[in-house]
Amino acid sequence: GNSVTQMEGPVTLSEEAFLTINCTYTATGYPSLFWYVQYPGEGLQLLLKATKADDKGSNKGFEATYRKETTSFHLEKGSVQVSDSAVYFCALSGTGANNLFFGTGTRLTVIP
Amino acid sequence: DAGITQSPRHKVTETGTPVTLRCHQTENHRYMYWYRQDPGHGLRLIHYSYGVKDTDKGEVSDGYSVSRSKTEDFLLTLESATSSQTSVYFCATGGDSPRVYGYTFGSGTRLTVV
Repeated sequence: GNSVTQMEGPVTLSEEAFLTINCTYTATGYPSLFWYVQYPGEGLQLLLKATKADDKGSNKGFEATYRKETTSFHLEKGSVQVSDSAVYFCALSGTGANNLFFGTGTRLTVIP
Repeated sequence: DAGITQSPRHKVTETGTPVTLRCHQTENHRYMYWYRQDPGHGLRLIHYSYGVKDTDKGEVSDGYSVSRSKTEDFLLTLESATSSQTSVYFCATGGDSPRVYGYTFGSGTRLTVV
């Protein structure tokens, strides 16, 4: 079946630190992979995506590379800001399916 | 997202009462979804729709029903609310190919069952 495993949070970083949030997946076929971000009191927003192996998604300084050999889609940012404080969700869609499967989310807090 | 409106935003209800949550979209998206968000569980799919009057169950559908009589509206009904249904409920929509482009989410409804 399809599933997503994210690193446990919460994660607390100082401003300008490097961020990595790990995400691994289990899926049949060739899923698309997504990162969503949820700011306090809001719904989820699409942050970036990748639809095939070796694709790199990027947005707002965040990046993630679709690694089929390690079944991973780790989120990275070189220098985090206080405004990046949020909950981050990794998600995948199965081949031929239009439903997304979400990880449990990782809460990031960036302190000045 | 301005194209998806969930109502109400907050609701407190008593155990055993029926409750209906509404999702309205102006995106003309084919696919619509209801998720619940709970600590430690992330988002879990309750029901989804792939067109008017076409709906199907997700992984946590027990105690919930849905209806979609128009493209723009997707209703979630808790037939007899229980305390375990206290949660934040999110509606999402997807266009022709959500598996490629992902979803757009509403702002959520916080439901408390007392």
